[in-house]
Amino acid sequence: QKEVEQNSGPLSVPEGAIASLNCTYSDRVSQSFFWYRQYSGKSPELIMSIYSNGDKEDGRFTAQLNKASQYVSLLIRDSQPSDSATYLCAVHGSSNTGKLIFGQGTTLQVKP
Amino acid sequence: EPEVTQTPSHQVTQMGQEVILRCVPISNHLYFYWYRQILGQKVEFLVSFYNNEISEKSEIFDDQFSVERPDGSNFTLKIRSTKLEDSAMYFCASSEDAGRNNSPLHFGNGTRLTVT
Repeated sequence: QKEVEQNSGPLSVPEGAIASLNCTYSDRVSQSFFWYRQYSGKSPELIMSIYSNGDKEDGRFTAQLNKASQYVSLLIRDSQPSDSATYLCAVHGSSNTGKLIFGQGTTLQVKP
Repeated sequence: EPEVTQTPSHQVTQMGQEVILRCVPISNHLYFYWYRQILGQKVEFLVSFYNNEISEKSEIFDDQFSVERPDGSNFTLKIRSTKLEDSAMYFCASSEDAGRNNSPLHFGNGTRLTVT
């Protein structure tokens, strides 16, 4: 069973629409969850972190966490062409070494 | 804003040669990591390092790999005898803490390693 799963996409949305990205994880003891954005050929860049059940908003981004369902999502409102990238879901491993386990990533295409 | 820096940005080497990838983590961070990403694949954990020793390593991190913090600022990844399949982007990362609190990893820009 994969530890962190994401639909690889591509997810295509028109400019101005809401993009919804989903992630499931297998380790029930995971406590910290992160969304990174990765442009082609570049390094992962932190967008959001979430630790408690519910929603967390930061500008156009909203992260949602449901620990009972082992599910994390990222909503991007008013999507822009510059949001086109691969979005990586990452979960802290249970080993307490700080290691993050990454999903495969979902490629988002925002069309003008 | 402080950042993780990696050198070189691109390294080309012949199979069987040794390479050293260098990283300068963020200065007040205590936890250091190496990840790799083969083209088109996911970001894979290699090793974590704390208090001058390896705290965790993956199955990928076999005897041909080693890490070192030779001084107070640098953190290096050495691949002793490179193979074609070692061709990948290697990312260094650091974090302030390793617990369950707010301790995201901050990544460097990566070193693209090409083994010919």
